[in-house]
Amino acid sequence: GAGVSQSPSNKVTEKGKDVELRCDPISGHTALYWYRQSLGQGLEFLIYFQGNSAPDKSGLPSDRFSAERTGGSVSTLTIQRTQQEDSAVYLCASSLGHNSPLHFGNGTRLTVT
Amino acid sequence: QKEVEQNSGPLSVPEGAIASLNCTYSDRGSQSFFWYRQYSGKSPELIMFIYSNGDKEDGRFTAQLNKASQYVSLLIRDSQPSDSATYLCAVSYRDDKIIFGKGTRLHILP
Repeated sequence: GAGVSQSPSNKVTEKGKDVELRCDPISGHTALYWYRQSLGQGLEFLIYFQGNSAPDKSGLPSDRFSAERTGGSVSTLTIQRTQQEDSAVYLCASSLGHNSPLHFGNGTRLTVT
Repeated sequence: QKEVEQNSGPLSVPEGAIASLNCTYSDRGSQSFFWYRQYSGKSPELIMFIYSNGDKEDGRFTAQLNKASQYVSLLIRDSQPSDSATYLCAVSYRDDKIIFGKGTRLHILP
């Protein structure tokens, strides 16, 4: 079946602009996670959803970052007033829920110029 | 603070030998443990997961979990050049938050 789909695959934006990243999870997966990976670094936890609820938003780096999930399916990660330090690969993953392994999308590479 | 620690490496292992990768975690309440492999420029892919103390084998891979000592390891037998990658340890906590270690770079020497 179809895997986790992320769009766009690449995004180049100017400093100060807003960007929206999209994640379409595997059908039937109730949990959805967002991570950020800077060049040569590990995965930084941003936020996760159980259904449409986000129990823990503490990983979001600043109030410029927000995320939502609607209908228990598609999620969007929005970064307002982008900064150069926001440049990274943003990875989305979904799972069947509690204790289940994550399945990753191909990521969105964000470059802020 | 929920932490997952891994040696960054690089870990160099001769082809055909056993590669041993280790990971420690901070929260005794952790319930699920995962190993992912990540090739450069690619997304992480699941290798194995383990929930109970002891060993779990899948082909050339063995995951070992010791909850009392709060560590989990991955053994790769008969290492191949294609095993050269970064290996990420991930831990699921009671609130379902999944935290990753920074990864260990493994280099298999032909």
